[in-house]
Amino acid sequence: DAGVTQSPTHLIKTRGQQVTLRCSPKSGHDTVSWYQQALGQGPQFIFQYYEEEERQRGNFPDRFSGHQFPNYSSELNVNALLLGDSALYLCASSSGTAYEKLFFGSGTQLSVL
Amino acid sequence: KQEVTQIPAALSVPEGENLVLNCSFTDSAIYNLQWFRQDPGKGLTSLLLIQSSQREQTSGRLNASLDKSSGRSTLYIAASQPGDSATYLCAVSGGTSYGKLTFGQGTILTVHP
Repeated sequence: DAGVTQSPTHLIKTRGQQVTLRCSPKSGHDTVSWYQQALGQGPQFIFQYYEEEERQRGNFPDRFSGHQFPNYSSELNVNALLLGDSALYLCASSSGTAYEKLFFGSGTQLSVL
Repeated sequence: KQEVTQIPAALSVPEGENLVLNCSFTDSAIYNLQWFRQDPGKGLTSLLLIQSSQREQTSGRLNASLDKSSGRSTLYIAASQPGDSATYLCAVSGGTSYGKLTFGQGTILTVHP
């Protein structure tokens, strides 16, 4: 049983560019959440997708957007990249209720130069 | 707004010691609390999940307790080993958050032989 998979594992971009990160949830999970983890910090919630809709959102600007596909996989898009967007981006999946354990992928390390 | 604090920020112990990591949260209206392990540059591995109605959970050498009324949780690691060296993160899910996690900044644990 494959767990949560994320691609790519590493990415280098320059300021002003756009980036798309991808996530496939654990088998049987229908909810995908995205987190940003800056170096030395705990992960910060970006948003969560359920039934192809953004169900809730953290305190991130509109430059951060996402999508969920019918097969429950998800994409995170970041436009107009800033140096401060450099971080580890983590995807987590669950089965949709607040009581379920979240399973995390290994993350995408984004460096903005 | 939920805030999660972890103490200490870093801990270095000799192999074989028993140790306690602390986590506190400001809003006691939580659904559950999870402890995660994170190796450098990697994703998060869930260690233990405690539902709000539970007082503790155990897995092998790990024991996590929850006192919801006081907003505190502890992670107890027995007979520490060098392989336990990692960052340990505490996260709470609560209110209408549909599984959104609020993380602490983590405790960096080093177990030396």
